[in-house]
Amino acid sequence: GESVGLHLPTLSVQEGDNSIINCAYSNSASDYFIWYKQESGKGPQFIIDIRSNMDKRQGQRVTVLLNKTVKHLSLQIAATQPGDSAVYFCAEIFNQGGKLIFGQGTELSVKP
Amino acid sequence: EAGVVQSPRYKIIEKKQPVAFWCNPISGHNTLYWYLQNLGQGPELLIRYENEEAVDDSQLPKDRFSAERLKGVDSTLKIQPAELGDSAVYLCASSPDPDRNNEQFFGPGTRLTVL
Repeated sequence: GESVGLHLPTLSVQEGDNSIINCAYSNSASDYFIWYKQESGKGPQFIIDIRSNMDKRQGQRVTVLLNKTVKHLSLQIAATQPGDSAVYFCAEIFNQGGKLIFGQGTELSVKP
Repeated sequence: EAGVVQSPRYKIIEKKQPVAFWCNPISGHNTLYWYLQNLGQGPELLIRYENEEAVDDSQLPKDRFSAERLKGVDSTLKIQPAELGDSAVYLCASSPDPDRNNEQFFGPGTRLTVL
């Protein structure tokens, strides 16, 4: 069936370094891809999204890259801070009225 | 602006007991979702409401789970009877309208432990 998955379950980085979290997806017809951050005891929080007609989108300290050729999505966090420590989920949606499908999650740990 | 409110935050019950979770979405958000999240996994949709109508309940185990959103605002998710495997976090989310499912705002969740 269709699925969204992550390559790495855990990622540990030094404070100040850049982080890259990867995600593979299988539904080539998905229209939106979204990154969520989930801190312990909280619900997922929207970080950034990208439509399928784009290959890059930048936010504040974050960049999402979409490679439709290999069905790959990545989240880059610049100058990673301790407050970035959380579990990051990628998610896909077929269209704006469709169901959100989440991947498994990657835990990011930032060392001071 | 207040976010999605859920209660209780934690619930511990014995198997075969009933349990209910409550959700108050962001004001003005017509679409409401209930998700189940197992440890280390992404949320999985249980049911989606547009106003008071359940438009997608295909993943809701209807033999023991039920949900309602009587006035199109607050919603309740119930499990009766609960089983050990129901231990998980139950998340509620809302979005402004049905065509903006990519803009979902999540509540903090209710962590259910079934003993």
